Amino acid sequence: GAVVSQHPSWVICKSGTSVKIECRSLDFQATTMFWYRQFPKQSLMLMATSNEGSKATYEQGVEKDKFLINHASLTLSTLTVTSAHPEDSSFYICTFRTRANYGYTFGSGTRLTVV
Amino acid sequence: AQKITQTQPGMFVQEKEAVTLDCTYDTSDPSYGLFWYKQPSSGEMIFLIYQGSYDQQNATEGRYSLNFQKARKSANLVISASQLGDSAMYFCAMREAALTGGGNKLTFGTGTQLKVEL
Repeated sequence: GAVVSQHPSWVICKSGTSVKIECRSLDFQATTMFWYRQFPKQSLMLMATSNEGSKATYEQGVEKDKFLINHASLTLSTLTVTSAHPEDSSFYICTFRTRANYGYTFGSGTRLTVV
Repeated sequence: AQKITQTQPGMFVQEKEAVTLDCTYDTSDPSYGLFWYKQPSSGEMIFLIYQGSYDQQNATEGRYSLNFQKARKSANLVISASQLGDSAMYFCAMREAALTGGGNKLTFGTGTQLKVEL
């Protein structure tokens, strides 16, 4: 149990366009989830925490108008990178709060490259 | 101040040998949890082992064990009988209790790249 589907697994987009990343829990419901960003050979940095039906809470330094998070249901959350720039190229990974694995189930991640 | 410190950016170990990956943490919360994850080159995060702050015994999961020294605030991961497939990045992470403002989020260390050699 506790499977998360994250799509797309990789995406290349042109500078100035928007990209949507979707995370869906397949066999459980979760009220809370987290979005992390990881630059090459670096740690996972928390971007935001979202609770179903509420506005996301963003970490200091993360632009909420640039990284739009929608947690509209207990099984689906999306991260939209608006007006993407090359410096937004990174690995984005979602994490649901679950009962499995002592509380966290990760998506498989999305590699975003902005050209 | 860093909440999770992993001082070994890279480690090498011979196949079938044991290896210890270091992790120290900093928190004033009496209730916290410590995690180790493996991240292969594909990027997925694979849960390995968990230690709660009130757990009396060190956690073990197969070839993985966690050497928990609470007074020293360390939570080192020990991998026994290393295999070639263990080559990956390893992250230590901490969850602090929601009531103290941690929000139940996970805070990660900088990781250790482990390479298992023949």
